[in-house]
Amino acid sequence: GNSVTQMEGPVTLSEEAFLTINCTYTATGYPSLFWYVQYPGEGLQLLLKATKADDKGSNKGFEATYRKETTSFHLEKGSVQVSDSAVYFCALRSNDYKLSFGAGTTVTVRA
Amino acid sequence: DTAVSQTPKYLVTQMGNDKSIKCEQNLGHDTMYWYKQDSKKFLKIMFSYNNKELIINETVPNRFSPKSPDKAHLNLHINSLELGDSAVYFCASSQESGIRGYTFGSGTRLTVV
Repeated sequence: GNSVTQMEGPVTLSEEAFLTINCTYTATGYPSLFWYVQYPGEGLQLLLKATKADDKGSNKGFEATYRKETTSFHLEKGSVQVSDSAVYFCALRSNDYKLSFGAGTTVTVRA
Repeated sequence: DTAVSQTPKYLVTQMGNDKSIKCEQNLGHDTMYWYKQDSKKFLKIMFSYNNKELIINETVPNRFSPKSPDKAHLNLHINSLELGDSAVYFCASSQESGIRGYTFGSGTRLTVV
């Protein structure tokens, strides 16, 4: 079946540090890939997406590239801010309408 | 202007009670979903409706029953609530099968005591 594996947290960084959250997937066919962010006490917000191989999604300084050869969609940001503290979810949308999530990675950025 | 709205935001109830959570979207999307987020933040899909037709029904106790009166609404009714039902429930919607992503509501935190 389809599944998403992302690195376990929690991750604690200082402001302006480089952030990487690894995400790999298992899927049949050609899934769409997403990163969602959940700020404390809020719902999930779509951060970025990629719908085919080699696509790069980007938003708010975050980037992720759909790598079919390594079945990966790692999230990166070059310089994090305190306001980036949140839980980040990698997700996969397969051909059966389902959006499957990874376990989430809690990121805390310290001033 | 809320795109996907859920009510109530918080729900505290006793074991054995029956409760409902309502969801409405004003995005004109054709598909709606219910997700459950447990205490470890893990998200699992429960149900999905496309144009009022049930298309996803995961392994969920039959005490949970979704109802979609029209494509803008998807309600979740839970009978005989149990302690293990305590979680945050998220409603979401999408267009074109979600290939461009889902829009989530802000969640309903259910606490069963």
